Amino acid sequence: ETGVTQTPRHLVMGMTNKKSLKCEQHLGHNAMYWYKQSAKKPLELMFVYNFKEQTENNSVPSRFSPECPNSSHLFLHLHTLQPEDSALYLCASSQDPTENTEAFFGQGTRLTVV
Amino acid sequence: QQQVKQSPQSLIVQKGGISIINCAYENTAFDYFPWYQQFPGKGPALLIAIRPDVSEKKEGRFTISFNKSAKQFSLHIMDSQPGDSATYFCAALKDTGRRALTFGSGTRLQVQP
Repeated sequence: ETGVTQTPRHLVMGMTNKKSLKCEQHLGHNAMYWYKQSAKKPLELMFVYNFKEQTENNSVPSRFSPECPNSSHLFLHLHTLQPEDSALYLCASSQDPTENTEAFFGQGTRLTVV
Repeated sequence: QQQVKQSPQSLIVQKGGISIINCAYENTAFDYFPWYQQFPGKGPALLIAIRPDVSEKKEGRFTISFNKSAKQFSLHIMDSQPGDSATYFCAALKDTGRRALTFGSGTRLQVQP
């Protein structure tokens, strides 16, 4: 275990559903990230939170809505998704985003949009 | 525009052989270059990392070679083992501004017994 826990591990949702992905880190880190991993594509950064404040939104469609209530928890709220949004969504955390520190990843949520 | 280009996309190596994965970057603001290893059903995990002030870093069977002038870096896995079969991602991090990793597209390594 890396200290970053994601739930659920698998999720199937319809295009009209609303669901949320959860990430929790037990490492005392200050930065948290959402990445999207699609087949045969690089990991795509979606959002960055630094000390609970969103510092980057990488041109992500509004149907993805992040929430960071504290430095240990990160959510990704999903609504009216498209089939092309099916992917592995990875959460990561790091100690200090201003330094070159290791990013620890969770196991991801495999999302299928039907 | 892909800022970190990785090759090959897939690689098959015999047990005991050397696995070599290459990456190239364009942005000279990158100053930290990690390699991540990902097994099926798991998230990526840091394997080894290098900064541009050194040309090589070795940890066990894993070595990063870094060529700053060519803006290239590579991962060498010596004495490759079936347990090394995984997907490997190179990545880069800027010294200023955006403080999140930019990843290569990944290389799926299969080490045959």
